[in-house]
Amino acid sequence: QVQLQQWGAGLLKPSETLSLTCAVYGGSFSGYYWSWIRQPPGKGLEWIGEINHSGRTNYNPSLKSRATISVDTTKNQLSLKLSSVTAADTAVYYCARSTTTMVMDVWGKGTTVTVSS
Amino acid sequence: ETTLTQSPAFMSATPGDKVNISCKASQDIDDDVNWYQQKPGEAAIFIIQEATTLVPGIPPRFSGSGYGTDFTLTINNIESEDAAYYFCLQHDNFPYTFGQGTKLEIK
Repeated sequence: QVQLQQWGAGLLKPSETLSLTCAVYGGSFSGYYWSWIRQPPGKGLEWIGEINHSGRTNYNPSLKSRATISVDTTKNQLSLKLSSVTAADTAVYYCARSTTTMVMDVWGKGTTVTVSS
Repeated sequence: ETTLTQSPAFMSATPGDKVNISCKASQDIDDDVNWYQQKPGEAAIFIIQEATTLVPGIPPRFSGSGYGTDFTLTINNIESEDAAYYFCLQHDNFPYTFGQGTKLEIK
């Protein structure tokens, strides 16, 4: 059964770059789209963007200028970098898998990122 | 961008109750809506796809309905284990967007 394991720095200062990784275990990496989603405290979920195994991406325009999603197919991992963070980027960040017929069918447990000076 | 308005934000139910959670889209999105269940510290679970299709392995007390702009998640004969946060997702157009979520408490 496929599992998504996430990790990354949990505490950042304003203007730093957020960096998270999501590893895929127990399933194929190719043939899927992989998304990053976030949820600020007390707010709803926000889709950040997605990537497929060949590197094709789609981003939310609200974050496109600061977000970079990439893949390492040799490690079955995807990564998120978000530059110039502010307190507004404080959130739980999730990765999720999508197929051509099922969008976001498998999710990671989330990683909490706090931006504070 | 499609806005999803989900309601209620919070609800309380008693075991055996039937509950409905609404998700209204700001534009026609066909049946491109999924529903998820999430418990604290756990990964979200995919429960309904394409508005009405129960994901394999999900108990049949869960069901989804709707098309176009109005969608509903229904839980029949609520059990204590159904206490969770529920949210809808539209994947009809980019950017994908989510409802604000519903916290379901079981008394």
